Amino acid sequence: QVQLVQSGAEVKKPGASVKVSCKASGYTFTGYYMHWVRQAPGQGLEWMGRINPNSGGTNYAQKFQGRVTMTRDTSISTAYMELSRLRSDDTAVYYCARDPGGLGDYELNWFDPWGQGTLVTVSS
Amino acid sequence: SYELTQPLSVSVALGQTARITCGGNNIGSKNVHWYQQKPGQAPVLVIYRDSNRPSGIPERFSGSNSGNTATLTISRAQAGDEADYYCQVWDSSTAVVFGGGTKLTVL
Repeated sequence: QVQLVQSGAEVKKPGASVKVSCKASGYTFTGYYMHWVRQAPGQGLEWMGRINPNSGGTNYAQKFQGRVTMTRDTSISTAYMELSRLRSDDTAVYYCARDPGGLGDYELNWFDPWGQGTLVTVSS
Repeated sequence: SYELTQPLSVSVALGQTARITCGGNNIGSKNVHWYQQKPGQAPVLVIYRDSNRPSGIPERFSGSNSGNTATLTISRAQAGDEADYYCQVWDSSTAVVFGGGTKLTVL
């Protein structure tokens, strides 16, 4: 079955960077877009961007441009999301989520499944 | 930028029908997807492309979309349906957009 398993919780100081991983299994990793979504405590879902695991091409939400970098390692079917210059309001659970449709014209722009989430706490 | 508006909370009596709305400018022209999120868990897709259920989602969950409002309907509500529900669309100018979420309480 399709499964996304994320790395464990992180605690970071303001100004630092964090890198969250998302290991995919049960499907061809390079065949589907991977998205990243975050959720601050008690708040809603916020889309951060996506990566094409085949080409490495990325699209980021304007809010995160310049601070977020999404990469992948196809040899281990793992996507990464790195957020730099962390602030206290970056404290959130970060999710990876797969678009189940495929690349290019096959993308469906919905998400299934999701990873279990990674809590990132930014505190001095 | 495109925005989606959901009520903060909806209450429904056990066994009755709950309706959760998602408002947006001409949302009827877009594909709307719905996610269920229980406390401490990741979101789960319950409706895609307005009215389609993924495998494993009960038939009690249905969706519709017209004009400026999309609606998630949960029939014969159960205690296990208590959760936050989010609508989501893709917009050409904003990319992925989520509604603010609705907390469903089953009384």
